[in-house]
Amino acid sequence: DGGITQSPKYLFRKEGQNVTLSCEQNLNHDAMYWYRQDPGQGLRLIYYSQIVNDFQKGDIAEGYSVSREKKESFPLTVTSAQKNPTAFYLCASRTSGEKKETQYFGPGTRLLVL
Amino acid sequence: AQSVTQLDSHVSVSEGTPVLLRCNYSSSYSPSLFWYVQHPNKGLQLLLKYTSAATLVKGINGFEAEFKKSETSFHLTKPSAHMSDAAEYFCVVSDLRGTYKYIFGTGTRLKVLA
Repeated sequence: DGGITQSPKYLFRKEGQNVTLSCEQNLNHDAMYWYRQDPGQGLRLIYYSQIVNDFQKGDIAEGYSVSREKKESFPLTVTSAQKNPTAFYLCASRTSGEKKETQYFGPGTRLLVL
Repeated sequence: AQSVTQLDSHVSVSEGTPVLLRCNYSSSYSPSLFWYVQHPNKGLQLLLKYTSAATLVKGINGFEAEFKKSETSFHLTKPSAHMSDAAEYFCVVSDLRGTYKYIFGTGTRLKVLA
């Protein structure tokens, strides 16, 4: 089955702790994205990567970091500098080739602060 | 700059009656537009997309949307609501020139009454 997987489904963070959210895709997509979703708001872009070993900050990158060492993987680290990390985090990838405009989403990770 | 406005944060309909979810966009050139659906604690699922082909776009589960350039609108409709349609719906506009970023509306929560 092709798709995007995110793990874990729920993640708990203690104050001052860094945590990493996993995102893996087997769709052979070049581009990948991380979004944050808060209640009553649309999705806000944290980071995106159009190709391996390259990524750009989105609109709310402060307190987050990413890496893109493999095409299939785009992990997101929520650092202790992110003071309000409680949210639903969604990873997406975008189709490659001629019709490369459509994003597909993973099932999400809910991050909660203890 | 691009933007998207979903005109209703909540819509309630009775089962079997038509659904109308409104979306207006702003773009300096011909955009690509999408509708996604999100069930509670799930990722986003693509319903349909407009990418400069036919202005009336048919999607999954009986949904369709019409691109109206003169009105800068891309409203989502369905002739007859089903209980399983209860979810949150997002209208999205994309910038396919260079950055490949996506702008999300704030969402419309659809409630279907028995």
